[in-house]
Amino acid sequence: NAGVTQTPKFRILKIGQSMTLQCTQDMNHNYMYWYRQDPGMGLKLIYYSVGAGITDKGEVPNGYNVSRSTTEDFPLRLELAAPSQTSVYFCASRYGVNEQFFGPGTRLTVL
Amino acid sequence: KQEVTQIPAALSVPEGENLVLNCSFTDSAIYNLQWFRQDPGKGLTSLLLIQSSQREQTSGRLNASLDKSSGRSTLYIAASQPGDSATYLCAVYRGGVDSGAGSYQLTFGKGTKLSVIP
Repeated sequence: NAGVTQTPKFRILKIGQSMTLQCTQDMNHNYMYWYRQDPGMGLKLIYYSVGAGITDKGEVPNGYNVSRSTTEDFPLRLELAAPSQTSVYFCASRYGVNEQFFGPGTRLTVL
Repeated sequence: KQEVTQIPAALSVPEGENLVLNCSFTDSAIYNLQWFRQDPGKGLTSLLLIQSSQREQTSGRLNASLDKSSGRSTLYIAASQPGDSATYLCAVYRGGVDSGAGSYQLTFGKGTKLSVIP
């Protein structure tokens, strides 16, 4: 199993551009999550999904959108990028009440 | 609202020392607690998962305990090595039984940054 994979690893965006962060898991996990991590601020949940076709907002959803059309994929869309979205983004997945696994992260800079 | 606190925020120890990292949480209605390790510039690696019905879990030099009634968990690292230097995070999971705020989500502490000095 590859586990949780994320692409790209790094990206630089200009203000106002849009992009999609990709996340795929091959463990048949039902729950998937997107977090952002800013220095000294800990992890903050952006969106999560409890299954294909079901998503819900986390703590900091503004400026982001998600979709979950398959069990494996949970892309995060950034519309109209702003400097405040400069962060490291982590995708994660779990099956029920079992262990949660994280991807390696995407480092995004908005200039 | 569940709050998770980790003390100390940073810890520096000489190589070979045994050490304990602390985690406390305010709401005891949890399914499980998970300890993670994060190296600089990297993602989170799962170390140990303790279900709410368990008191402890062991993996190699690591031993994690859980006292749900007092809202505390400890991560014990034996015979510390420089390679153990990292930030250690604990997180609690409440599941989605009542679909209240925080359902299906992990609540994280801010971590303890450990430095093991050779």
